[in-house]
Amino acid sequence: EADIYQTPRYLVIGTGKKITLECSQTMGHDKMYWYQQDPGMELHLIHYSYGVNSTEKGDLSSESTVSRIRTEHFPLTLESARPSHTSQYLCASIPRGDSEQYFGPGTRLTVT
Amino acid sequence: EDQVTQSPEALRLQEGESSSLNCSYTVSGLRGLFWYRQDPGKGPEFLFTLYSAGEEKEKERLKATLTKKESFLHITAPKPEDSATYLCAAATSGTYKYIFGTGTRLKVLA
Repeated sequence: EADIYQTPRYLVIGTGKKITLECSQTMGHDKMYWYQQDPGMELHLIHYSYGVNSTEKGDLSSESTVSRIRTEHFPLTLESARPSHTSQYLCASIPRGDSEQYFGPGTRLTVT
Repeated sequence: EDQVTQSPEALRLQEGESSSLNCSYTVSGLRGLFWYRQDPGKGPEFLFTLYSAGEEKEKERLKATLTKKESFLHITAPKPEDSATYLCAAATSGTYKYIFGTGTRLKVLA
């Protein structure tokens, strides 16, 4: 069973605030991903990481940043939250040598 | 452009009524085709990986198949607990990105 955690699970925040969504995994996976998912829509890749100190931008990366200082930790930061950021954010990881993704439970973000 | 399309968008079945979900893909160099189950408010849960045309995988009431253009998720004699959104995703060669479809929302009525 995959052990990947996201905090907070739910967050309501005002426009303009800086927020960090946390993602941690205890499986030692090198590759980690952040996705944004709106109801009934596909998952959109925000950022991904091949390993420590290695990150790449996805399709929706322009308003957020990530860091990968430790293998197990991959936080996502929104510098200035906007109502358009209201969505579900999913973190995932894959084990070296395999391809299926293991997902965390998600963070439901609401920006008022 | 790489693309994954799922149909139907939504499906309602009576308990025991078998059916199939479709995932059509156009990608440059398929590295793997993945099926996930997603319950409301939760992250997707991995079901199957298919790597080559003709491959089949089974788990309880679910069976996934793959051709060169599409994949099917067959549900045999479904139960209400099979109600969920089923996602498929394709991984292409030369990248660690995954392309997701929009999913099929399945509702099984008792």
